[in-house]
Amino acid sequence: GIQVEQSPPDLILQEGANSTLRCNFSDSVNNLQWFHQNPWGQLINLFYIPSGTKQNGRLSATTVATERYSLLYISSSQTTDSGVYFCAVGENDMRFGAGTRLTVKP
Amino acid sequence: KAGVTQTPRYLIKTRGQQVTLSCSPISGHRSVSWYQQTPGQGLQFLFEYFSETQRNKGNFPGRFSGRQFSNSRSEMNVSTLELGDSALYLCASSLGNSGATDTQYFGPGTRLTVL
Repeated sequence: GIQVEQSPPDLILQEGANSTLRCNFSDSVNNLQWFHQNPWGQLINLFYIPSGTKQNGRLSATTVATERYSLLYISSSQTTDSGVYFCAVGENDMRFGAGTRLTVKP
Repeated sequence: KAGVTQTPRYLIKTRGQQVTLSCSPISGHRSVSWYQQTPGQGLQFLFEYFSETQRNKGNFPGRFSGRQFSNSRSEMNVSTLELGDSALYLCASSLGNSGATDTQYFGPGTRLTVL
C-alpha cells in the first residue's frame, strides 16, 4: 500500500514564527488532504489539495504530485495552532501519515 | 449545518464484550468512513460506506463490522473485544461518493477503553 511519511515528527516554535511541514508519499495519488487535530482530539480539515497551491489565511499548502510530496506552511504561528498535523492520501481509502506534533509557545 | 456527531463519546467495556458505535453524518452527506486511532498504530482506515453499501475495507479482523442506513447514519460494531481495541474511533463524512476523493469532515470521536 501507499506509504506516507511526515517530517519533522515534532516542532516547537515561539509565537509569531513561521514553519513548513512536509509530507512524502510513495505512489501517485489523486487525492491529498491536510488535517489538524487539536488537543481535544477533533480533526479539522485544512486543505483538500491533490495538486497545486491553496491558501487560507495564515495557512497555505502546495502539492507537487509528480514528485510525490506536499508542504504545509504556517505563518505567524499562534498558540491555538498547537496540535498534530496529519496529511492523508488515497485512492480508495485514506492513508494517514504519523503526523507532526506542533507546539507553539507564547 | 450541524457537524458530524458520534455517540457515545466515551465507553468502557470488558474483554469479550461487544460494542456498537454510532455516527450521524452532516446533512446531505452520503459517504461515511470509520477510522481507528491508537498511539502505536496512528490513524488507520476501517471501512467506508456509501448508499448503504460497503465500498472499501481496511486491514482489520472480521470482529470489526459496520453498516449504513438509508438516512446515511452509520454504525460500527466490534465483537469479542480485546485489550488492543482500546482506541479513539473516528467517523468522517463527505459529500461525494468517497472520502478518498472528496473533503472529509470528522466527528469528535468515541473513546473506547477495554478493561
